[in-house]
Amino acid sequence: KNEVEQSPQNLTAQEGEFITINCSYSVGISALHWLQQHPGGGIVSLFMLSSGKKKHGRLIATINIQEKHSSLHITASHPRDSAVYICAVRAGTASKLTFGTGTRLQVTL
Amino acid sequence: NAGVTQTPKFQVLKTGQSMTLQCAQDMNHEYMSWYRQDPGMGLRLIHYSVGAGITDQGEVPNGYNVSRSTTEDFPLRLLSAAPSQTSVYFCASSYEGQLIEAFFGQGTRLTVV
Repeated sequence: KNEVEQSPQNLTAQEGEFITINCSYSVGISALHWLQQHPGGGIVSLFMLSSGKKKHGRLIATINIQEKHSSLHITASHPRDSAVYICAVRAGTASKLTFGTGTRLQVTL
Repeated sequence: NAGVTQTPKFQVLKTGQSMTLQCAQDMNHEYMSWYRQDPGMGLRLIHYSVGAGITDQGEVPNGYNVSRSTTEDFPLRLLSAAPSQTSVYFCASSYEGQLIEAFFGQGTRLTVV
């Protein structure tokens, strides 16, 4: 069993829909990262969370430390949001990350 | 401010050839790392470094070497390329021991034939 599990693996949505991507982890962590990877492109950090909730534009990330679960929400989705969204966790003060396998999001017109 | 610069973007090697993937960052980050990304799997750590002169193995180090002679540079060497090393490689950097975001390079798509 992977230490970091994401769901769903694939997601198709229509423009304007509210999207939720989930991440569950099995180890104690100091921080959780949400990353975005566009086709053929690099990886960009969206959020780093250690508690509570963060918002940036149409993106919202939440984390529940007790339940070992985080969600990434996209409001009013747009085709340019189409990408792979990756959850990664850090344990303790070390910088090493453990990654989920990603959620591939396709937003259509 | 270039962030993390990774070269080349694409590379095709023949089995047995060697090559070096370059990674440089200009943010004075102590921590640098190399990952490989394969279909259906999360990024896996190959090697990492917490400062100049210090390197350590990650989850999948076999077939790869690294060195860290300066804070800025962290090259990854494939000693004798094998088809199993066909993958997309990412370099990343961050401040060690601090809860801040990580910065990633643009990736290198390597094909070994």
